[in-house]
Amino acid sequence: DSGVTQTPKHLITATGQRVTLRCSPRSGDLSVYWYQQSLDQGLQFLIQYYNGEERAKGNILERFSAQQFPDLHSELNLSSLELGDSALYFCASSVGGGAGYTEAFFGQGTRLTVV
Amino acid sequence: KNEVEQSPQNLTAQEGEFITINCSYSVGISALHWLQQHPGGGIVSLFMLSSGKKKHGRLIATINIQEKHSSLHITASHPRDSAVYICAAGGADGLTFGKGTHLIIQP
Repeated sequence: DSGVTQTPKHLITATGQRVTLRCSPRSGDLSVYWYQQSLDQGLQFLIQYYNGEERAKGNILERFSAQQFPDLHSELNLSSLELGDSALYFCASSVGGGAGYTEAFFGQGTRLTVV
Repeated sequence: KNEVEQSPQNLTAQEGEFITINCSYSVGISALHWLQQHPGGGIVSLFMLSSGKKKHGRLIATINIQEKHSSLHITASHPRDSAVYICAAGGADGLTFGKGTHLIIQP
């Protein structure tokens, strides 16, 4: 158990809908990262928050947004969903703010299926 | 943008064999990460290294900064090592992932 909690584990929704994925980081970790893993693209970095502020942005679509709350949990909002958004979405957390040089701990992921 | 290449893409071996998975990257990095993903989907961080060699049980990771190359070795492989192994190059803009090596260890 990494200590990172993601909910829900599975989500099935229709095209055009909006969903919210939730992540609770390990106790004491200030950074939260969101990643998308699809069959054709592999793992891709979406966005990072550090202590409530956006720290780095990767390949995140404009239809997607995220935030980190004062209690450090984070939410990833996906709107106007398309079939191609079906993927595993991972959250990870770390103590420090540098994703490249800080060990991160991954949640179990949310499997999103858009039908 | 960093390009991360892993080889082989797929590897099937017999229990007890010595396994090597390779990872090359194109741009200088802060650290190289090795991750393990089991069939259930969960991801576990195995190593983070910026120089030399690290060992954890039967797993060994090495990195050659000059050659921009890292290897993950598994000694005395076991069926429970069957998983996808992913390397990721860490830089200022976060992690860039390889496509993974799908490893199957047969009893």
